[in-house]
Parts: sequence; structure tokens; C-alpha cells
Amino acid sequence: EPEVTQTPSHQVTQMGQEVILRCVPISNHLYFYWYRQILGQKVEFLVSFYNNEISEKSEIFDDQFSVERPDGSNFTLKIRSTKLEDSAMYFCATRDRGLGDTQYFGPGTRLTVL
Amino acid sequence: EDQVTQSPEALRLQEGESSSLNCSYTVSGLRGLFWYRQDPGKGPEFLFTLYSAGEEKEKERLKATLTKKESFLHITAPKPEDSATYLCAVPSNRDDKIIFGKGTRLHILP
Repeated sequence: EPEVTQTPSHQVTQMGQEVILRCVPISNHLYFYWYRQILGQKVEFLVSFYNNEISEKSEIFDDQFSVERPDGSNFTLKIRSTKLEDSAMYFCATRDRGLGDTQYFGPGTRLTVL
Repeated sequence: EDQVTQSPEALRLQEGESSSLNCSYTVSGLRGLFWYRQDPGKGPEFLFTLYSAGEEKEKERLKATLTKKESFLHITAPKPEDSATYLCAVPSNRDDKIIFGKGTRLHILP
């Protein structure tokens, strides 16, 4: 069964450093997303990406965040200068076609900012 | 504002003791409702999508139902391996994203 994969599974970084989180979407899916979940809190939307551009972003997704699909397969989330409050689980999700279709989530990257 | 509320926050059951989890939503023009299972430190694992009131879907000991204002996840004769957090989510009516509830932490005692 096709699945979303994410690397690394755990990233530890110092405050102010740049991190790149990677996702390999399900191959025929067209819509890509990043969500995050701070420990003990609900899953929150960060950004959606379709046709090589951002389609929606939340207020969390400020100038420190960026996304791209550099090689047509990987989908990346970059945080330029990490803050302590960026510590969370980051999930990539993908879906196939129309609005309402199911989003499938990856296993997540645990980001710890020290 | 689109909102998803789940209850109870936590539920402890004895193995074999059936129960139901609730998800109520406020979103106009529902385009689907999703149930996911999340184990600690893992990503949400898809269980069901429901599209219209009256629809039901089943998978092993789980059955999801949908009305015009809420959804239920019924768990019949649960086993300890069913222990997890169960998340309910709906697509936003305005944006291309899904909105999650806080989840119900289910613990099945052997």
C-alpha cells in the first residue's frame, strides 16, 4: 500500500539554526500539506501546496518558513532560523484529487530546538 | 468559524466493554468527515471518510456513523491494541486544509 514517508524521524537543532524536513508523497497525489502538533495539543495546519505553489498558509507559517518541491518527488519544509517554540512533530500529508478527498499523513519528524 | 469538538477527552474501558466516541462539527456545506487513529509519537493513520448523513463504515471492531451535526465512532468489544488517540477532522469550507479536533485518548485495560 502506498504511503507517505518523512525524514529524518527526529531532528535536534540549536536555536537560530536552519532545518529542512523532507517528505516523499504518494506518487500520484497532487496536493501536499504540512501540519504540526505541539506535544499534547491538536494537529494544526501550516501550508498547502499545489502545482508548484503555495495555495494556502496559516498565520503560523511566517517568513521563517518555506516549502518547495525541488526535484518533482521530495516535498520539503524549511525553517530558516529555528525558535524554541518550533519544537513539535511535523507531519506531511498528501491527497489525490477533489476537495474533501482524504489526506494521508506521514509518520512525522520530531523537531527539538534547544 | 469552522470547529470540531470531540468528547470525551479520555476514556478508559475494560477489554470487551463497548462504547462510542463523539465528534461534533460546525462547518457549512460538509464535504467529508475523517476519522484517524494516532499512536504516541506517530502520524495520524487514516481510518474512515464519511460524506453524507446516514452513512456508516466499518473496519474490524470500529464503526463510524454520520449525522448532520455529528459523527460517532463506535468500538465494539475492544482489545488493548485499540488503545490510541482517535482524531476527527473535517475539510475547511473556505481553505484547502482540514481542521482537527483535540482527539479522544482511549485506553483499553486487559
